[in-house]
Amino acid sequence: DIQMTQSPSSLSASVGDRVTIACRASQSISKYLNWYQQKPGKAPKLLMYAASTLQSGVPSRFSGSGSGTDFTLTITSLQPEDFATYYCQESYSTTFGQGTRLEMK
Amino acid sequence: QVQLQESGPGLVKPSETLSLTCTVSGGSISSYYWSWIRQPSGKGLEWIGYVYYSGSTNYNPSLKSRITISIDTSKNQFYLKLSSVTAADTAVYYCARGYYDRSGHFYFDYWGQGTLVTVSS
Repeated sequence: DIQMTQSPSSLSASVGDRVTIACRASQSISKYLNWYQQKPGKAPKLLMYAASTLQSGVPSRFSGSGSGTDFTLTITSLQPEDFATYYCQESYSTTFGQGTRLEMK
Repeated sequence: QVQLQESGPGLVKPSETLSLTCTVSGGSISSYYWSWIRQPSGKGLEWIGYVYYSGSTNYNPSLKSRITISIDTSKNQFYLKLSSVTAADTAVYYCARGYYDRSGHFYFDYWGQGTLVTVSS
């Protein structure tokens, strides 16, 4: 089984900050990596697929990079609506990371 | 705009079978992988499995022995049955549309709002 590990588990930041969330796979997954955003009480929302392709309608301040085992999600110039929990998901066996909670400082 | 809506009992007794329905509207049920994902309170996401519109299925190995996912394309609905439930199966259950792009990348692009199922006597 492929294990997905996100870091950090939680993160405090301010509006306007640049933040980076990491996701590591236990084995190489090429670029088969997706990112989701989830707000409290809501379903997850697809942000990015294939490691770096932005889903339609997602603001360009979100970007993704990486391949193999190490991936990052970067948010430049944080907006108030970006405070949420973020999950990575590999698409070989459909395993999610444990999530990174982004909180307002 | 594709919309998904879960329905089913919010309370299930231990050892019984959890049954949920997902109704798809605003788009075709063909050519996609209709999925169930769950999330215990305060915890992360766990993929349960999916059914292709043709009826073929793929399940999470950790739940495979207890899961049945099926589809009725004439009703634009798909279903989840999870047998022999315990308190550990208490979670918000989401249905979602899974999509394989041309490069084989698989992701969930539309989700239902989720339904809380509690396992308790």
